[in-house]
Amino acid sequence: DADVTQTPRNRITKTGKRIMLECSQTKGHDRMYWYRQDPGLGLQLIYYSFDVKDINKGEISDGYSVSRQAQAKFSLSLESAIPNQTALYFCATQSGGGTGELFFGEGSRLTVL
Amino acid sequence: DQQVKQNSPSLSVQEGRISILNCDYTNSMFDYFLWYKKYPAEGPTFLISISSIKDKNEDGRFTVFLNKSAKHLSLHIVPSQPGDSAVYFCAASRKGGAQKLVFGQGTRLTINP
Repeated sequence: DADVTQTPRNRITKTGKRIMLECSQTKGHDRMYWYRQDPGLGLQLIYYSFDVKDINKGEISDGYSVSRQAQAKFSLSLESAIPNQTALYFCATQSGGGTGELFFGEGSRLTVL
Repeated sequence: DQQVKQNSPSLSVQEGRISILNCDYTNSMFDYFLWYKKYPAEGPTFLISISSIKDKNEDGRFTVFLNKSAKHLSLHIVPSQPGDSAVYFCAASRKGGAQKLVFGQGTRLTINP
């Protein structure tokens, strides 16, 4: 089983719908991140959390919200999806101290029509 | 403002030859740099890293070079193998890697037989 699991892996939805992407991890890491990948733009940080009580906005947080339900769970919500949120979304974890290496999930591909 | 830039969207190299992927950064506070590799339908995976106190780090076929004065790093793969075909992202962070990573746009490497 993967250490970082994202659900759903693929989702097609319509403009205006609420969407939640979920992430769970078994690595025991305190830090969790949500990134989106767009062609030519690399990985852009949406939100990150250094522990259950800590939530921080990243570079492109507008239109998104997150919830850190437990150390192992970090969900990303699009309250009212729009077409330019069509992208590949990655969840990642990181140990609290150390080299900074991120461990990524396999990604969730979201298409907003 | 793109703090980490990979100016080559793609690179094609013959099997057995050297692949050189480049990355530039603008923030002089970055002190830890990483390379990630991404295959289609998978999340990025950590490849190699370097701290700003070094100018070279080697791991098997992979070597990362850091030129702090030029704010430039490069990843050398030698000899290149077909399995190296992937998208490569460079990333940078501050304070020894314990902070959030900033990613470049990625370079798609294709190794030709």
